[in-house]
Amino acid sequence: GENVEQHPSTLSVQEGDSAVIKCTYSDSASNYFPWYKQELGKRPQLIIDIRSNVGEKKDQRIAVTLNKTAKHFSLHITETQPEDSAVYFCAAGLYNFNKFYFGSGTKLNVKP
Amino acid sequence: DVKVTQSSRYLVKRTGEKVFLECVQDMDHENMFWYRQDPGLGLRLIYFSYDVKMKEKGDIPEGYSVSREKKERFSLILESASTNQTSMYLCASSQISGGGLNTEAFFGQGTRLTVV
Repeated sequence: GENVEQHPSTLSVQEGDSAVIKCTYSDSASNYFPWYKQELGKRPQLIIDIRSNVGEKKDQRIAVTLNKTAKHFSLHITETQPEDSAVYFCAAGLYNFNKFYFGSGTKLNVKP
Repeated sequence: DVKVTQSSRYLVKRTGEKVFLECVQDMDHENMFWYRQDPGLGLRLIYFSYDVKMKEKGDIPEGYSVSREKKERFSLILESASTNQTSMYLCASSQISGGGLNTEAFFGQGTRLTVV
């Protein structure tokens, strides 16, 4: 099956700085890459996703980039705010089967 | 709003007990999933189901079974609970993909299971 590795496990940034979280995947057949955010004590929620037919997708302060050749994808958060503090999970899988595998998570701490 | 509801928020069971974790979704989603969340390990897929009575093993099915008799309900069963099954369990549901449909997985609030 798919193996997704995520780095770093913890990330601390100053408010207003950018944050980057990186993931690699093993199965070249994977074509769908969602990112989920889990605030403390809450359920994970989708924040952005990308399919393998595009290399980049942006939604306000959040962007995701995908390098299919190298099998890695990244989440970029610009102008970070304290409410961005959470655990972020990347995932990879097959869009048509709607089954994907998660990375181990990154705990982002945005210091005011 | 999609609602995925897990029957218990916290559960304490004894070693060897049979444990049922229930999950219900109200959006007529075809797919349902059970994940286990442990610190440093992320979300690991235990089982998923893409239709009534259909199920497939995920990464860590050992010690677990599932049941999906109705579309809206997906149960996770620990046949004989062990201390290494102490964890947070998350249920999720999603639509079948294709045709531009939203494939987002919606999660329940989680069940914190402690096996003593």
